[in-house]
Amino acid sequence: TQLLEQSPQFLSIQEGENLTVYCNSSSVFSSLQWYRQEPGEGPVLLVTVVTGGEVKKLKRLTFQFGDARKDSSLHITAAQPGDTGLYLCASRETSYDKVIFGPGTSLSVIP
Amino acid sequence: ETGVTQTPRHLVMGMTNKKSLKCEQHLGHNAMYWYKQSAKKPLELMFVYNFKEQTENNSVPSRFSPECPNSSHLFLHLHTLQPEDSALYLCASSQGGGRIFGSGTRLTVV
Repeated sequence: TQLLEQSPQFLSIQEGENLTVYCNSSSVFSSLQWYRQEPGEGPVLLVTVVTGGEVKKLKRLTFQFGDARKDSSLHITAAQPGDTGLYLCASRETSYDKVIFGPGTSLSVIP
Repeated sequence: ETGVTQTPRHLVMGMTNKKSLKCEQHLGHNAMYWYKQSAKKPLELMFVYNFKEQTENNSVPSRFSPECPNSSHLFLHLHTLQPEDSALYLCASSQGGGRIFGSGTRLTVV
């Protein structure tokens, strides 16, 4: 079974700073998804990356999929308090019902 | 509002109680899921339903009993739970892509 690691586990930064969080796997991803979960809510899908080396941008968020498709990063530029939440990466295996979630990075952006 | 609605949002129950969690989606998705989210642990998949048929049971104890009467509704029946079952229970649906989650039910077993 594929295992996902995310780092850092916790991150607390000031508003306006940049940050990067990482997701790594013991094996190749077929595709990778990033979710954000705000306190008291369910996770919300941000993006899906499929191709090695792929880069996707969503406003101030930049998602990168490693060339070997075993790692991914999420970079946030000029973080805002509204970015606070738990960032989860999830790997989708060959069977579309198999989505494995990482433990998440808990981000706190201080005004 | 994500399109997946869960009720109740919060539930406190004793170990001898029987309760049910409800999930509803009107997104036209064919697959529905129950996940458990505990503190300091990754999201754990519990059950998967495709076209109302259960296709996966991830070694979940029998005190959790799912029911899917149609492709829009999913229930999780709870009985004789343990305090360690306290967690956020999330329902999700999908159409072969990313998961659309509900807001969850925060369950506390006392």
